[in-house]
Amino acid sequence: AQSVSQHNHHVILSEAASLELGCNYSYGGTVNLFWYVQYPGQHLQLLLKYFSGDPLVKGIKGFEAEFIKSKFSFNLRKPSVQWSDTAEYFCAVNAHNAGNMLTFGGGTRLMVKP
Amino acid sequence: DAEITQSPRHKITETGRQVTLACHQTWNHNNMFWYRQDLGHGLRLIHYSYGVQDTNKGEVSDGYSVSRSNTEDLPLTLESAASSQTSVYFCASSEAPSDEQFFGPGTRLTVL
Repeated sequence: AQSVSQHNHHVILSEAASLELGCNYSYGGTVNLFWYVQYPGQHLQLLLKYFSGDPLVKGIKGFEAEFIKSKFSFNLRKPSVQWSDTAEYFCAVNAHNAGNMLTFGGGTRLMVKP
Repeated sequence: DAEITQSPRHKITETGRQVTLACHQTWNHNNMFWYRQDLGHGLRLIHYSYGVQDTNKGEVSDGYSVSRSNTEDLPLTLESAASSQTSVYFCASSEAPSDEQFFGPGTRLTVL
């Protein structure tokens, strides 16, 4: 069965620091990749997605992610975080020819100190 | 604007009781999903539906059931609630099975 790993469970940064959150998946076929964000007390919202084409994907609020097929990775980055980025971040993978179900990583809780 | 709503937003129930959580979407999406969110596990798929009268089991379907009688609604039923089912439940929908999913606000369920 496919799996999605987010190795950083908790990250604490100061404002203006750079952010990189890791995401690795196990499925070897064609995949659609997503990063969702969940602000405190709110539902999940899409940050960005990759289906095909340029492996560097830009999303909302200055976030970007890079798909590296050879490493089965889709890491999320932001050059300068803000206090308002405090949230939980989830990587998710949809594997074609594997039921088209979305598999989520365990999430990374980001706290940005003002 | 199209949206997904869930009700109730909070529910406390007792072990053994039947509980139904409602999910209603106005996106006119064929694909609907139920997840539970637990600390350290991310979101895990309970059941999903690709259209009216279609239902499928997800990763953690034991103790749960769904029915799909129309496009807009996918209620989730806990036949006999257990303390292990205390969780936050999210409903989602998508235009295509592999596409972006839109999530509801969640229902926090506590089983005592």
